[in-house]
Amino acid sequence: DTGVSQDPRHKITKRGQNVTFRCDPISEHNRLYWYRQTLGQGPEFLTYFQNEAQLEKSRLLSDRFSAERPKGSFSTLEIQRTEQGDSAMYLCASSLTGGGPSYKETQYFGPGTRLLVL
Amino acid sequence: AQSVTQPDIHITVSEGASLELRCNYSYGATPYLFWYVQSPGQGLQLLLKYFSGDTLVQGIKGFEAEFKRSQSSFNLRKPSVHWSDAAEYFCAVGAGGGFKTIFGAGTRLFVKA
Repeated sequence: DTGVSQDPRHKITKRGQNVTFRCDPISEHNRLYWYRQTLGQGPEFLTYFQNEAQLEKSRLLSDRFSAERPKGSFSTLEIQRTEQGDSAMYLCASSLTGGGPSYKETQYFGPGTRLLVL
Repeated sequence: AQSVTQPDIHITVSEGASLELRCNYSYGATPYLFWYVQSPGQGLQLLLKYFSGDTLVQGIKGFEAEFKRSQSSFNLRKPSVHWSDAAEYFCAVGAGGGFKTIFGAGTRLFVKA
């Protein structure tokens, strides 16, 4: 079990550029989540996948944000036309669901990608 | 709406002293509660979780938490703090069918020698 990994760990970009982040979940986990964390705050839910299907998106996820999980394994989060307000830590988490109510699952987090938009 | 409140933005304790971090939640049904710890620049590590059963749960690194339904609280405790415990601590509740975890704003712990 190598844990959740994210790449890159840090990204500095200029306003208006596009950026893409990658998340590799724990190998047997079928759910994958993206969160955004700004300074002094807890993580805020952005979106999640069950296998390759994107099941829910937060209102925080504007049209400039798109996430994919094409083969139900790794996921990418792309931000187009970045704005300074996009500067944050982007966290990925994964979990394994089985029988029983879904809210008994436990999410395991990666180290995050810190984005700075200049 | 579901929410989590961590009343203390930061706490300073002496090494070896006991620690209690407060967490209050708002949730319509039986909550599923978590404590995570985050070191600077790092992701979140799960300390412990409560789903049901015994209201006192044990976690890693010597932490424990007690679920008190009557007070809507899930406070985190440690009997003797080590300098390496200095970090940010987040309380969270599983919500919206469970898959959307809602986090508090966090409590930053400082440990003084």
